[in-house]
Amino acid sequence: QKEVEQNSGPLSVPEGAIASLNCTYSDRGSQSFFWYRQYSGKSPELIMSIYSNGDKEDGRFTAQLNKASQYVSLLIRDSQPSDSATYLCAVSRTGGGNKLTFGTGTQLKVEL
Amino acid sequence: GAGVSQSPSNKVTEKGKDVELRCDPISGHTALYWYRQRLGQGLEFLIYFQGNSAPDKSGLPSDRFSAERTGESVSTLTIQRTQQEDSAVYLCASSLTSGGNTIYFGEGSWLTVV
Repeated sequence: QKEVEQNSGPLSVPEGAIASLNCTYSDRGSQSFFWYRQYSGKSPELIMSIYSNGDKEDGRFTAQLNKASQYVSLLIRDSQPSDSATYLCAVSRTGGGNKLTFGTGTQLKVEL
Repeated sequence: GAGVSQSPSNKVTEKGKDVELRCDPISGHTALYWYRQRLGQGLEFLIYFQGNSAPDKSGLPSDRFSAERTGESVSTLTIQRTQQEDSAVYLCASSLTSGGNTIYFGEGSWLTVV
């Protein structure tokens, strides 16, 4: 079992729709959760972090965390073509030195 | 500097040669990380530094890989006797400390071994 699992996609959504990206993790000691966006040929950029159960909203993005189910998700409202990218889920554990373990990413395509 | 700076941005090398990849973290960031990303794959952790020491080097794939950091600043990742499977982008990142701070990535060094 991979430490962090994501559906590789591609996930295709029409412009203006809600994109839902999911991630599960195996290490119950994980305490910090991140979503990075990576455009093709570019480095990852942080878009959301979440540390406690529940929802965290930032603009069009909402991160959801459920530690009991070891599940974290990212919702993108009013999806735009510029949101087309690979979304990487990453987790770190307390005492792990901020070391991030990444999933393989989900490719999102927002279609006109 | 304003961001994490890596060099070279692209490197093509012959199998069996040694390569050095350099990372200059954001000024004042004490934690520095190296990751590898093969084409179409996720990021693989290689090593991280807190200051000049490396508390976790568990991700280095073999003894051909080594890294050092001096002056709590620049880090060098060295790959000896390169193999074709070493072809990847090597991403460096830094954070203010190693405890729960946001990690910022550089643009990466794209390595191709032919």
